[in-house]
Amino acid sequence: GAVVSQHPSWVICKSGTSVKIECRSLDFQATTMFWYRQFPKQSLMLMATSNEGSKATYEQGVEKDKFLINHASLTLSTLTVTSAHPEDSSFYICSASGSTNYGYTFGSGTRLTVV
Amino acid sequence: GENVEQHPSTLSVQEGDSAVIKCTYSDSASNYFPWYKQELGKGPQLIIDIRSNVGEKKDQRIAVTLNKTAKHFSLHITETQPEDSAVYFCAASRGSSNTGKLIFGQGTTLQVKP
Repeated sequence: GAVVSQHPSWVICKSGTSVKIECRSLDFQATTMFWYRQFPKQSLMLMATSNEGSKATYEQGVEKDKFLINHASLTLSTLTVTSAHPEDSSFYICSASGSTNYGYTFGSGTRLTVV
Repeated sequence: GENVEQHPSTLSVQEGDSAVIKCTYSDSASNYFPWYKQELGKGPQLIIDIRSNVGEKKDQRIAVTLNKTAKHFSLHITETQPEDSAVYFCAASRGSSNTGKLIFGQGTTLQVKP
């Protein structure tokens, strides 16, 4: 089946610094990748959708200059949280879909803590 | 905009009993309805899905039913086991080629008591 690898699994950073999260599709070509944010005991909220080689489409209320998304290849997408603040602390999850019938495959998530 | 409502928010059952979680969706163009199980600190894992051209799908102890007219779909877990305890999410998408965005329900915390 399809596998998506997400790294790091957890990260602690200081307020004002930037953090990059990677999402890789290991055995299929991910034409579309999705980034979600999940606060404790809440649902997954879609932040943005990216297609390989194109600019990401952000959901309403998500700051595109703060959450930089790059999808430069069919197997890799990155999310960079710039100038992180404590309120950015959350669980970030990527999902990839491609030309197979595997549907949407999710990464294992990244726990970001900003101190 | 698109919306998916999920009920109940919490569900407690005795081991061996059945559990049912229900969702409704607002976007009539939705055609793909997956269910995910999420354990603490992990990403969601697909447990079953159904497409709009099918009314019911079953995989061992898990089944999903879809009523397109009413825009309802439900997850049924029979013979529940303690390891079924987790948070379950329904979702809906209009992407026939799996490129449409997934809209998630609010989640149901299922507790199976031994």
